[in-house]
Amino acid sequence: EAQVTQNPRYLITVTGKKLTVTCSQNMNHEYMSWYRQDPGLGLRQIYYSMNVEVTDKGDVPEGYKVSRKEKRNFPLILESPSPNQTSLYFCASSFYSSYNSPLHFGNGTRLTVT
Amino acid sequence: AQKVTQAQTEISVVEKEDVTLDCVYETRDTTYYLFWYKQPPSGELVFLIRRNSFDEQNEISGRYSWNFQKSTSSFNFTITASQVVDSAVYFCALSEAERDDKIIFGKGTRLHILP
Repeated sequence: EAQVTQNPRYLITVTGKKLTVTCSQNMNHEYMSWYRQDPGLGLRQIYYSMNVEVTDKGDVPEGYKVSRKEKRNFPLILESPSPNQTSLYFCASSFYSSYNSPLHFGNGTRLTVT
Repeated sequence: AQKVTQAQTEISVVEKEDVTLDCVYETRDTTYYLFWYKQPPSGELVFLIRRNSFDEQNEISGRYSWNFQKSTSSFNFTITASQVVDSAVYFCALSEAERDDKIIFGKGTRLHILP
């Protein structure tokens, strides 16, 4: 089944404790991206990747890191999480870009930082 | 600058009523795509439709229809004979050819279909 898999679905952590949210897609998509969803703010892009080893900042990259060593994987790393990073996170992928290809989303990761 | 405005934060209608979700966009690009996504209570985001800026024909898919009007920079979404399963948050989004790495989402409209 074609899908974007995110793990974990729920994560509660404490301030400063490094964490990684994994994202994997099995559709051979070039483009991958991370978003955070907050009430009243909609979806905001954190980082994106147009291809392997190519990553760029989105609108809200502060406090996050990503890597794209393989086409299928695009992990989101929070080196030192803070409470303002409590949010619902989505990974997404599409064939070449977000321009003309629909995004396929993972099921989301709800992160709470205390 | 690209921008998507969904002025309706929350809408409630009784089942079987028709409802229209508004989406107004801003762009300087002449070539762009517009999208609608649905987020049901379970939380996942589901693609509904994509529309190219050169195609202003309205689209109908079952009870769903979309009205694209470049003159008013709008891409409205209508659900006919609404059902409880239509309850969700709906996002409108814009992606420009000149910035093919980026898609801008509106803040979403939460739709409640009351039984």
